[in-house]
Amino acid sequence: SQQGEEDPQALSIQEGENATMNCSYKTSINNLQWYRQNSGRGLVHLILIRSNEREKHSGRLRVTLDTSKKSSSLLITASRAADTASYFCATGNDYKLSFGAGTTVTVRA
Amino acid sequence: EADIYQTPRYLVIGTGKKITLECSQTMGHDKMYWYQQDPGMELHLIHYSYGVNSTEKGDLSSESTVSRIRTEHFPLTLESARPSHTSQYLCASSEPTGADEKLFFGSGTQLSVL
Repeated sequence: SQQGEEDPQALSIQEGENATMNCSYKTSINNLQWYRQNSGRGLVHLILIRSNEREKHSGRLRVTLDTSKKSSSLLITASRAADTASYFCATGNDYKLSFGAGTTVTVRA
Repeated sequence: EADIYQTPRYLVIGTGKKITLECSQTMGHDKMYWYQQDPGMELHLIHYSYGVNSTEKGDLSSESTVSRIRTEHFPLTLESARPSHTSQYLCASSEPTGADEKLFFGSGTQLSVL
């Protein structure tokens, strides 16, 4: 069954705007990761946040984690056309990662 | 860029054919995975391996089989392809960092069974 579930399913923004997407999950986790997938390609790891962390930054990315609500958010600031992609959250437990269905982000020039 | 390669990128075949999707990585990772992905849907883990001679079935039942004779190679085989097997197949490997393992993905094989 699906562990992580992203919201919204799709997002369209203007270049320069911020993009925010959310992930909810069901069971306890060791960590939560975000991946990006460009059309027709494999997934690329963006950022990992551990269960004992609340916020993490990497370049234009900001991730928050609220384990009491079993939710996470990914913020992309000052979006660019190259940020157009699908974004997946993945929850880590034991030996494997479980992925959601992703949020498709379109950045308009 | 991750050093993990999948071939072919695209494959169109007829029903009943036997096919093998290749996956190789040059990073020396012990753990490797196969995921199945349909458009707009979550990724489903269908097989994984902890190392040579280790293979396990994933969360999603699959009619495919895998083998792990060498660390760098993790091929997936369908003995008799059917239209229901049409999907994107993604191979991944992970570096051994304890509980914080992150995955490196290949570019995928888009399989169409007619």
